Amino acid sequence: QQPVQSPQAVILREGEDAVINCSSSKALYSVHWYRQKHGEAPVFLMILLKGGEQKGHEKISASFNEKKQQSSLYLTASQLSYSGTYFCGTANQGGKLIFGQGTELSVKP
Amino acid sequence: DAGVTQSPTHLIKTRGQQVTLRCSPKSGHDTVSWYQQALGQGPQFIFQYYEEEERQRGNFPDRFSGHQFPNYSSELNVNALLLGDSALYLCASSFWRGAVEDTQYFGPGTRLTVL
Repeated sequence: QQPVQSPQAVILREGEDAVINCSSSKALYSVHWYRQKHGEAPVFLMILLKGGEQKGHEKISASFNEKKQQSSLYLTASQLSYSGTYFCGTANQGGKLIFGQGTELSVKP
Repeated sequence: DAGVTQSPTHLIKTRGQQVTLRCSPKSGHDTVSWYQQALGQGPQFIFQYYEEEERQRGNFPDRFSGHQFPNYSSELNVNALLLGDSALYLCASSFWRGAVEDTQYFGPGTRLTVL
């Protein structure tokens, strides 16, 4: 079953923060986050594993709450380069990724 | 280090035709997964190849088939094309550990338009 992302879209000014949520009705074992710019391939950001682990990548970090079946992606002090569509994906054994519908992020000067 | 490559970049076909898309995985990777991405949607899993066999399949009809070669590269074939097959087809490669943390890296995609 497809994970649900919220919000669907967000507009920020440079330097502002944002949070993108990814929820699943099924048990989560791993959450994979990607960013896709228009006309380009999805780029891997990070993977979160069961255990509430928090990871960071530049000024982007994420958390994984297995009790709530939810992962959140935190973007702090956003830059113009953060614009794009963010997807979360949940994986089964062997890596069949089921992606959410995406969150479109626009960072304005 | 070459990343995932796909060919062709763009393709235009008519309904009923057949198409073959190609993918070369990232160096060191042995698993290839194919995804279909319609405009404004997230990628949808088609199938995955490892050791030249289809290991997992999504909810796609038999018109979608694939192959993996001994050098780990892969092909996606779609027969009897429909207008609804128009999409970006993405290939992703990974190193097989059979685990939920297998990380996939995507290629640039092939944009297929069916007229």
